[in-house]
Amino acid sequence: DGGITQSPKYLFRKEGQNVTLSCEQNLNHDAMYWYRQDPGQGLRLIYYSQIVNDFQKGDIAEGYSVSREKKESFPLTVTSAQKNPTAFYLCASSGTGTSYEQYFGPGTRLTVT
Amino acid sequence: GQQLNQSPQSMFIQEGEDVSMNCTSSSIFNTWLWYKQDPGEGPVLLIALYKAGELTSNGRLTAQFGITRKDSFLNISASIPSDVGIYFCAGQTNNDMRFGAGTRLTVKP
Repeated sequence: DGGITQSPKYLFRKEGQNVTLSCEQNLNHDAMYWYRQDPGQGLRLIYYSQIVNDFQKGDIAEGYSVSREKKESFPLTVTSAQKNPTAFYLCASSGTGTSYEQYFGPGTRLTVT
Repeated sequence: GQQLNQSPQSMFIQEGEDVSMNCTSSSIFNTWLWYKQDPGEGPVLLIALYKAGELTSNGRLTAQFGITRKDSFLNISASIPSDVGIYFCAGQTNNDMRFGAGTRLTVKP
């Protein structure tokens, strides 16, 4: 089946530790995205990548880092510099151009204590 | 960046009733998208709209791309309990996609 996978579904970490969230897609999409969702709020863009080996900061990139070494993969690292890392993290992918749709993964809920 | 204005924020309706929600923006978009999100899951794309004035249906769902390209609405007819969830609108232009804060729908049997 074509789609986007995120792992793990739930992740628990101690404050001060870096943690990496996985995102893989087999839709042959060029663009991939990471969003953060807090309770009762919409989606906020952390980072996006339109092509391998290139990525751009979104609206809330501070305390996060990404890499895009392969078209299929776009891992997100939540660093210890992120002040409030507990949230639901969503990965998405899309084609590129003037008009496209984004498709989302199932999400990873990160809890930092 | 500026998010979209989505309303209402929440709705409580009786099974069988029709539902309407909308999104507005001060910016124009090339594409309007509507998603549904169940608790703890990722949003699922319901309808995509590509042209100003376009009216598209997907089963009991109907959505329209506003003629000004700055707004869109979603209607759900004859609601059923499984329609419960959060509905998000999204507007896309080139490399930019913006989301509404969501409409939380509760359907009472």
